Amino acid sequence: EPEVTQTPSHQVTQMGQEVILRCVPISNHLYFYWYRQILGQKVEFLVSFYNNEISEKSEIFDDQFSVERPDGSNFTLKIRSTKLEDSAMYFCASSPSPSSYNEQFFGPGTRLTVL
Amino acid sequence: AQTVTQSQPEMSVQEAETVTLSCTYDTSESDYYLFWYKQPPSRQMILVIRQEAYKQQNATENRFSVNFQKAAKSFSLKISDSQLGDAAMYFCAYRSAWIYGGSQGNLIFGKGTKLSVKP
Repeated sequence: EPEVTQTPSHQVTQMGQEVILRCVPISNHLYFYWYRQILGQKVEFLVSFYNNEISEKSEIFDDQFSVERPDGSNFTLKIRSTKLEDSAMYFCASSPSPSSYNEQFFGPGTRLTVL
Repeated sequence: AQTVTQSQPEMSVQEAETVTLSCTYDTSESDYYLFWYKQPPSRQMILVIRQEAYKQQNATENRFSVNFQKAAKSFSLKISDSQLGDAAMYFCAYRSAWIYGGSQGNLIFGKGTKLSVKP
């Protein structure tokens, strides 16, 4: 069964460094999402992406964040200059359409630790 | 803004017994979808069950069923005949049905309930 994959599973970085989190969505899906979960808190929406552009973003998704689909398979989240508060689990998700009935399929997550 | 609240950080159930996980939400919208996602340790979140707000009938999926009370804005998950494999983090989530001009389909999650299953 097709799955969303994410790499790396765990990323440790120094404050101020750039990180790129990678996701491979399910191949025939068209809509992509990033969520994050700070330890002990809710899973929060960051951004949705369709047709090579951002569809919607939350207040969290400021100028330090960017997303890209550099080729036909990868979907990346870049954090330009990491802060301590960016430490969290980052989840990628994809769905075939934005229909609210449709399931979003989640990846296993990347744990980002900023020191 | 919509919010989702799961008031039980942890729950425990004996194998083969039934457990109910609570979820409440707040919204001013009349049309929306509600979901329960399961996240086993070190694994991705998978959809357990979904409910359309316009449907009065409660959704069921095998051993999983929901008690959807729209007026009370309550959406609990009942797991019958609990199995060891049900041990996981369970997330309740809300999604607006209005996906153009409003929310683009992002999910709004609760904090989750960690379910343990005792053999």
